[in-house]
Amino acid sequence: TQLLEQSPQFLSIQEGENLTVYCNSSSVFSSLQWYRQEPGEGPVLLVTVVTGGEVKKLKRLTFQFGDARKDSSLHITAAQPGDTGLYLCAGEFGGSQGNLIFGKGTKLSVKP
Amino acid sequence: NAGVTQTPKFRVLKTGQSMTLLCAQDMNHEYMYWYRQDPGMGLRLIHYSVGEGTTAKGEVPDGYNVSRLKKQNFLLGLESAAPSQTSVYFCASSRTDREGEKLFFGSGTQLSVL
Repeated sequence: TQLLEQSPQFLSIQEGENLTVYCNSSSVFSSLQWYRQEPGEGPVLLVTVVTGGEVKKLKRLTFQFGDARKDSSLHITAAQPGDTGLYLCAGEFGGSQGNLIFGKGTKLSVKP
Repeated sequence: NAGVTQTPKFRVLKTGQSMTLLCAQDMNHEYMYWYRQDPGMGLRLIHYSVGEGTTAKGEVPDGYNVSRLKKQNFLLGLESAAPSQTSVYFCASSRTDREGEKLFFGSGTQLSVL
């Protein structure tokens, strides 16, 4: 059974701080996605990474896929209250969305 | 842009009652999915469909049935609800099931079984 471990589970920071959240597995992903979920809403896709070592930037968010494709990180620079939410990573292990495994998420709170 | 619409948004059932959750998408997507989200468990796949008239089991299918009679609709049924089925249910759709394909989620149905 493939498992995705996300850390930390909870993170509470002040506006303007930087932060990094992690997604790790003992298995190799064929691709990995990061979603953000706000209270009362469904997850919304932020980025997909497919190549080992890949780095993608989305404004203040930087996503990195590990060289071995077993881990990923999300770094937020100068966090804002609007970044508050649950960040989920989802790994694909077999080339089909039916094989997409979600981590438990990191709940981020950014205080003004 | 409606995207993925789930009804109802909230529901309370008594143990043993039945109900159907409806998911509708207007993006002409082939693939549709039902997930449940529980505290400390993340999102888990219940059933999915790769096209009209097809369904397949996910990670946690027991106690649920699904139907995909029309391409735009995916129904999730609980025949005899149990307290363990208290959860938030999300429907999602995607254009294909290719690697890295984007999932579009509905806003969820919060179900409580007493």
